[in-house]
Amino acid sequence: AQSVTQLGSHVSVSEGALVLLRCNYSSSVPPYLFWYVQYPNQGLQLLLKYTTGATLVKGINGFEAEFKKSETSFHLTKPSAHMSDAAEYFCAVSEFSDSWGKLQFGAGTQVVVTP
Amino acid sequence: DTAVSQTPKYLVTQMGNDKSIKCEQNLGHDTMYWYKQDSKKFLKIMFSYNNKELIINETVPNRFSPKSPDKAHLNLHINSLELGDSAVYFCASSQGELGIDEQFFGPGTRLTVL
Repeated sequence: AQSVTQLGSHVSVSEGALVLLRCNYSSSVPPYLFWYVQYPNQGLQLLLKYTTGATLVKGINGFEAEFKKSETSFHLTKPSAHMSDAAEYFCAVSEFSDSWGKLQFGAGTQVVVTP
Repeated sequence: DTAVSQTPKYLVTQMGNDKSIKCEQNLGHDTMYWYKQDSKKFLKIMFSYNNKELIINETVPNRFSPKSPDKAHLNLHINSLELGDSAVYFCASSQGELGIDEQFFGPGTRLTVL
């Protein structure tokens, strides 16, 4: 079974600084990987996903993530944090069965942006 | 023009009561889901329906019964509510059933059992 580990339940960054959120996965098959963002009191929204092809994936709001098979990682970055980036971020991996799949989410990382 | 909507947004009830949460999506998706998010923000899938048929049923107490009257709706009925059922419940939808498509989430229903 697939699983996802997010390192760091809380991350504090200064406005304008680099945002780096770490995600490692375990999967017995080539994974499909996702980052979702949850703003306060809202549902989750897809930031980006990796399926196949280019390992550097660009998403919305200036975020990107790089799939590194050798490190079983899918870390999320943004060069310059904005106050509006304050949210909970979830890494997820898709787990397949014969005819359906489901997402396994990591525990989430809360990002706080300080002025 | 809301994509995935849930009602009610807040639900406060006593232990032992029965309650329902409704979900509707207007995206034309074939697959719908119910997730539970606990107080530590951990998110876990409960059920998934594809074209009105149940395809994922996680280890959830049988007090929880989903119903999908049509592709656009997935409701969640909970019998004999317990304190541990307090959580935020999210409905979501996606085009496919393989877990590789973007899932669109509703705003959540915060259930508090007293």
